Amino acid sequence: DAGVIQSPRHEVTEMGQEVTLRCKPISGHNSLFWYRQTMMRGLELLIYFNNNVPIDDSGMPEDRFSAKMPNASFSTLKIQPSEPRDSAVYFCASSLTDTYNEQFFGPGTRLTVL
Amino acid sequence: GENVEQHPSTLSVQEGDSAVIKCTYSDSASNYFPWYKQELGKRPQLIIDIRSNVGEKKDQRIAVTLNKTAKHFSLHITETQPEDSAVYFCAPHSGAGSYQLTFGKGTKLSVIP
Repeated sequence: DAGVIQSPRHEVTEMGQEVTLRCKPISGHNSLFWYRQTMMRGLELLIYFNNNVPIDDSGMPEDRFSAKMPNASFSTLKIQPSEPRDSAVYFCASSLTDTYNEQFFGPGTRLTVL
Repeated sequence: GENVEQHPSTLSVQEGDSAVIKCTYSDSASNYFPWYKQELGKRPQLIIDIRSNVGEKKDQRIAVTLNKTAKHFSLHITETQPEDSAVYFCAPHSGAGSYQLTFGKGTKLSVIP
């Protein structure tokens, strides 16, 4: 298995533009997580899905952020409109279930909003 | 939500010495206690985990100990090597249905050759 796949790996955009980050979890994993990592705030859980259903989105910073998981092999995190303070590394992770299981992280997307 | 604290935030040790990182948490419902390692510019990766019905677990040079009563667990690395230099995160959480996962702020470990 190729592991968790994220695209793009790097994204540079201007304030106000829409940004879409993509994630393909490991086949057979039922839980998917989106994280944001910055120096100031560390690693934050934004949202997680179990069996394609959003379970907890309390970490989503505001309405500009939205996430979807239309099927078991694909998820998106969208920011619209983007702001400079959204600049961070965004990780997607998947695990077999959401209990007692190792989370496998993707390589991350480094987002820079100018 | 869960309050998670890691100590120390930075740690420097000589190669061959031991390193200990402590994680304290607030949610008594937490029942899974993993440690992740993140090398510079890379993704976090699980290095060891423990469940609440176990007090200690070892895997070669690394070990995790859990004190549920005091609500803390620790990562122990013995015979440290330069490749152990990284940021280590704890992420205690409870199970399905009321999923609470908070990563600690991280501990930057530097192993000096």
